[in-house]
Amino acid sequence: GAGVSQSPSNKVTEKGKDVELRCDPISGHTALYWYRQRLGQGLEFLIYFQGNSAPDKSGLPSDRFSAERTGESVSTLTIQRTQQEDSAVYLCASSFPGEMAGNTIYFGEGSWLTVV
Amino acid sequence: KQEVTQIPAALSVPEGENLVLNCSFTDSAIYNLQWFRQDPGKGLTSLLLIQSSQREQTSGRLNASLDKSSGRSTLYIAASQPGDSATYLCAVRRMDSSYKLIFGSGTRLLVRP
Repeated sequence: GAGVSQSPSNKVTEKGKDVELRCDPISGHTALYWYRQRLGQGLEFLIYFQGNSAPDKSGLPSDRFSAERTGESVSTLTIQRTQQEDSAVYLCASSFPGEMAGNTIYFGEGSWLTVV
Repeated sequence: KQEVTQIPAALSVPEGENLVLNCSFTDSAIYNLQWFRQDPGKGLTSLLLIQSSQREQTSGRLNASLDKSSGRSTLYIAASQPGDSATYLCAVRRMDSSYKLIFGSGTRLLVRP
């Protein structure tokens, strides 16, 4: 597609349930990033994919968070046993390879997660 | 550890004014710096990307400068319009982990008609 696509755009879930967030990057972009933004705060890096591998998972806040990517395309961020502090907008971004650091990163519109 | 700071946190100006948003970073070893715009309830839109070897970039009414040695960047908006109202974020890509953007907390801009 023309841009980074994320789904669902909004999700309300009960505490303790699992959620899956999906990201479709721009075609041809091998680098994919997940960020989290809590209300009124800055963006926190979660994880980076180059192709289907994730050389940097350092930003995942706990073992309840996991992510995968297949076909050097779609990525899924999974949050297990959701907690209220997981409420945030989860932003996905893509670019050409990360080592080509001159390339612009493009963001999706985010998945807004509310845990009640 | 790279830290990115944006000043002011919020800014309100009348339509037509020229304005400057500031971004500072603690580690000058960066690959590039990128300015984004974020509208309420929306994702981020890339505005300008400045490579570490560049001093400035221009796009329409926007001009971004970079002084890597002093760890500063500015985003200049000429002849501001109400449609410019948004949060403006700067982010740096570090030299030692070129894939990761480190973001500032943003400047919330309101341009009053």
